[in-house]
Amino acid sequence: QKEVEQNSGPLSVPEGAIASLNCTYSDRGSQSFFWYRQYSGKSPELIMFIYSNGDKEDGRFTAQLNKASQYVSLLIRDSQPSDSATYLCAVRRDSNYQLIWGAGTKLIIKP
Amino acid sequence: ETGVTQSPTHLIKTRGQQVTLRCSSQSGHNTVSWYQQALGQGPQFIFQYYREEENGRGNFPPRFSGLQFPNYSSELNVNALELDDSALYLCASSSGQGEYFGPGTRLLVL
Repeated sequence: QKEVEQNSGPLSVPEGAIASLNCTYSDRGSQSFFWYRQYSGKSPELIMFIYSNGDKEDGRFTAQLNKASQYVSLLIRDSQPSDSATYLCAVRRDSNYQLIWGAGTKLIIKP
Repeated sequence: ETGVTQSPTHLIKTRGQQVTLRCSSQSGHNTVSWYQQALGQGPQFIFQYYREEENGRGNFPPRFSGLQFPNYSSELNVNALELDDSALYLCASSSGQGEYFGPGTRLLVL
């Protein structure tokens, strides 16, 4: 079992709809959770981080964390074609500061 | 733009050669991490430096080594290059929360 798992996709969503991206992790001691966006040929860009159970909203993005079920999700409201990218989930262990990464979910927003 | 810079942007080397990649961290960030990203994969952690000391290392052989300087810039050195070392090498700096990436160095080993 991989430490951080994401569905590789592609996930296809119509423009204007809500895109829902999911990530599960295996280490119950994980404390910090991050979502990055990566356009093809570019480096990852930090979108959001979340530490506490529940929801955290920033503009069109909402991160959701459920530590009991060991999953974290990212919702993108009013999806735009410019949101088409690979979304990477990263988890930080509490024992050190290494980020553990999922392989990413490719999101395609169809006009 | 994150303020993290890397050089060079692209590099072609042959098997057995050595390479040095460079990274300048974002102002105020004292922690630098290096990652290797193969096509279609998530970044793989190589190592991290905090205030000039190695602060964690991933599953990479000793021929991958690094340095951090007093101004928090950093180098990644790879000796005895292998074909599988071809990848995007990413540097990220942080000050305790999320990591902010530079544009990466794309290395091709022939």
